Amino acid sequence: EAGVAQSPRYKIIEKRQSVAFWCNPISGHATLYWYQQILGQGPKLLIQFQNNGVVDDSQLPKDRFSAERLKGVDSTLKIQPAKLEDSAVYLCASSLDRDREAFFGQGTRLTVV
Amino acid sequence: AQKVTQAQTEISVVEKEDVTLDCVYETRDTTYYLFWYKQPPSGELVFLIRRNSFDEQNEISGRYSWNFQKSTSSFNFTITASQVVDSAVYFCAHFSGGYNKLIFGAGTRLAVHP
Repeated sequence: EAGVAQSPRYKIIEKRQSVAFWCNPISGHATLYWYQQILGQGPKLLIQFQNNGVVDDSQLPKDRFSAERLKGVDSTLKIQPAKLEDSAVYLCASSLDRDREAFFGQGTRLTVV
Repeated sequence: AQKVTQAQTEISVVEKEDVTLDCVYETRDTTYYLFWYKQPPSGELVFLIRRNSFDEQNEISGRYSWNFQKSTSSFNFTITASQVVDSAVYFCAHFSGGYNKLIFGAGTRLAVHP
């Protein structure tokens, strides 16, 4: 079974530029998550989808971050404009359902300079 | 409030020692799920175990064991006879329907030295 796919693996941008990350979850998984992991910290939930609806986005900085889940499958996370403090690893995960174990992709390491 | 606390920031042991990683959670719900994940130096989070709130039996999987105690809101993880390959950051996580989101603790970095 294929795992969660994310791209790109690495991205370096200047502050105030925009960036987008892509995630392809495990087939059949209803729940999709985007987490932000700053070096030395635990993953922080940015947004959680159930099929193509948003379940929780309470910690998503909506003035600069946006996310969508296309047809309840793939998802993109966008940052516009980026700030220095957005430098982190962005992790996508999926699970069969909300109370099931989540499986993670390899993450995208974003550096904002 | 929904919260997961891993008070141990870093633990260092010598190979073959047993080590226990602590996890304390807070929730207002009676039905919930607890998880442990491993994050090796490569960075990808690897699922280890899922436990529901109604199953307080301890679980053992090879050198790994988990002790769930509802009375103290704890879900501790023990590695027996640790090995260098166990070196990683370990995260405890919680989900319940009342909060409807999966949250993680800050993690415990385990270093196993030869």
